[in-house]
Amino acid sequence: EVQLEESGGGLVQPGGSLRLSCAASGFTFSTYWMSWVRQAPGKGLEWVANIKQDGSERYYVDSVKGRFTISRDNAKNSLYLQMNSLRAEDTAVYYCARGGSSRFGVWGQGTTVTVSS
Amino acid sequence: QSALTQPASVSGPPGQSITISCTGTSSDVGSYNSVSWYQQHPGKAPKLMIYDVNNRPSGISNRFSGSKSGNTASLTISGLQAEDEADYYCSSYSSSSTWVFGGGTKLTVL
Repeated sequence: EVQLEESGGGLVQPGGSLRLSCAASGFTFSTYWMSWVRQAPGKGLEWVANIKQDGSERYYVDSVKGRFTISRDNAKNSLYLQMNSLRAEDTAVYYCARGGSSRFGVWGQGTTVTVSS
Repeated sequence: QSALTQPASVSGPPGQSITISCTGTSSDVGSYNSVSWYQQHPGKAPKLMIYDVNNRPSGISNRFSGSKSGNTASLTISGLQAEDEADYYCSSYSSSSTWVFGGGTKLTVL
């Protein structure tokens, strides 16, 4: 069964850091672009970042450039999102999604990030 | 990276058809056929319903169909069923290798 499972969310103070992880199973992870998509409370979906199969290309939404870093470890079938200088407006459920060059075909259940003092 | 424009809500009785529009610009919807649609039930993860404008993933009912004209894409759901009640989001590839979502449409089955 194809699965994505996020972890690493939690409560963090403004200006703090957090690292999200996404464990993939049931498919050949190294052959897919991967992405992070977030959803603020009561709001719509927002694409955050994506990364090519070999990590050679990475793209970000303007609001997180310079603060967030997407990475992957194909040997561990894992995707990561390092989030620094967190702001209140980064509060959201963060979803890991398979895809990023075409459709987002598989989604995890999400991990919640709350930025608050 | 402005969000695509969707109606906030649509509704229809069981058995009827509804269409949700998704309006972008010549930098996203108008230039690429990488338009997809997602269904999201409350508290759940989004689910891919349509990709590349008018393609259905395996297992998705043929009651769901997509189209595009110019800068506007559309999702049509025919034969509305109670389980179709959910939020629907469109998404499009955009210039600079980024992606943009619509603001979402709440579908109510009356």
